[in-house]
Amino acid sequence: GEDVEQSLFLSVREGDSSVINCTYTDSSSTYLYWYKQEPGAGLQLLTYIFSNMDMKQDQRLTVLLNKKDKHLSLRIADTQTGDSAIYFCAEEGNTGFQKLVFGTGTRLLVSP
Amino acid sequence: DAGVIQSPRHEVTEMGQEVTLRCKPISGHNSLFWYRQTMMRGLELLIYFNNNVPIDDSGMPEDRFSAKMPNASFSTLKIQPSEPRDSAVYFCASSPRVLGQETQYFGPGTRLLVL
Repeated sequence: GEDVEQSLFLSVREGDSSVINCTYTDSSSTYLYWYKQEPGAGLQLLTYIFSNMDMKQDQRLTVLLNKKDKHLSLRIADTQTGDSAIYFCAEEGNTGFQKLVFGTGTRLLVSP
Repeated sequence: DAGVIQSPRHEVTEMGQEVTLRCKPISGHNSLFWYRQTMMRGLELLIYFNNNVPIDDSGMPEDRFSAKMPNASFSTLKIQPSEPRDSAVYFCASSPRVLGQETQYFGPGTRLLVL
């Protein structure tokens, strides 16, 4: 079955770079996603990457995709305290009607 | 656009009572998803609809849970009777399924506490 795994917790200092890692199982996923959840709020799409790309950059965010190892990472440059949140990666499920399979989420804590 | 709208935002009820959660998806989106989030189990997909038709309800915990989508702009998730273990945050999400991409837009969630 589909499974998406993430480390549970990451702590960084303000101004440092953060790297959140994710492994997934479904090699047929066309897109892979990163969502952010702030306290008391729903999930918000941060960025996504098409499976035929190795890298995608969007301002402070860099997504790296290693299809061979089924490894996805999200790098946040110059991390700010406002980046403190839970970050979820997600792959597309392999059912006929596509749905997302979310990871467990990584709680990022940014200290001043 | 107002985004996905959920109501109520908070619900406190007693065990055995019926609970109804409501969702209005983003206009024009044709897929709708109900999720449950708890500390222990993380984010779980309960059911999703495509063009108002339930496609996969394998995540619905048991018969006490039911979901409907009578039209493209409204969906409900009902729990009857509710139990303390149903306490969680319930999210509704909708998706336009543009170019095969499953970007989902989440509502703010309903925080349910069953005493």
